Amino acid sequence: EPEVTQTPSHQVTQMGQEVILRCVPISNHLYFYWYRQILGQKVEFLVSFYNNEISEKSEIFDDQFSVERPDGSNFTLKIRSTKLEDSAMYFCASRATGYGSSYGYTFGSGTRLTVV
Amino acid sequence: KNEVEQSPQNLTAQEGEFITINCSYSVGISALHWLQQHPGGGIVSLFMLSSGKKKHGRLIATINIQEKHSSLHITASHPRDSAVYICAVRDSNYQLIWGAGTKLIIKP
Repeated sequence: EPEVTQTPSHQVTQMGQEVILRCVPISNHLYFYWYRQILGQKVEFLVSFYNNEISEKSEIFDDQFSVERPDGSNFTLKIRSTKLEDSAMYFCASRATGYGSSYGYTFGSGTRLTVV
Repeated sequence: KNEVEQSPQNLTAQEGEFITINCSYSVGISALHWLQQHPGGGIVSLFMLSSGKKKHGRLIATINIQEKHSSLHITASHPRDSAVYICAVRDSNYQLIWGAGTKLIIKP
């Protein structure tokens, strides 16, 4: 079964440092998403990406965040200057194009980011 | 704004029991997902449904669009079913709106 792959699985970083979280979506998927889940809280939407541009973003996704699809396979989330409150599990997801209830999401296993 | 409410928040049961987790949402959706999150944190999609009922092994998901309600059932529950089960609805913009999850513990 095709998988969404995320690396690293766990990253510890100093406050103020830049981090890049990497995702390899399923190869024929065209919609990509980042979500985050702060420990003990709901999963929150960050950003969606289609056709090499952001299609929607939440209030959380401020100027400190950026996404990129640098080549045909990777989809990255960059946090420029990490804050303690950025500590969370970050999930990447991808979805095939098309409309209808059969086009579900596939999630990566997540990157646990700890900012110290 | 679409709210997704799950109940119960926590559920502890004995192995073999029939489990029901409920999800209610407030506005129209294009589909509803049931997802499983294991203690390590990874999320696995169990079902996506927009009407009726789906079954996979011991898991059954139903949805009633008129009542804006869905249920996830587990038959013959097993300790390995212990996880957080999350309901997420997909709105007309294909955005997922997440419930808070139900933490299920199955005791042997």
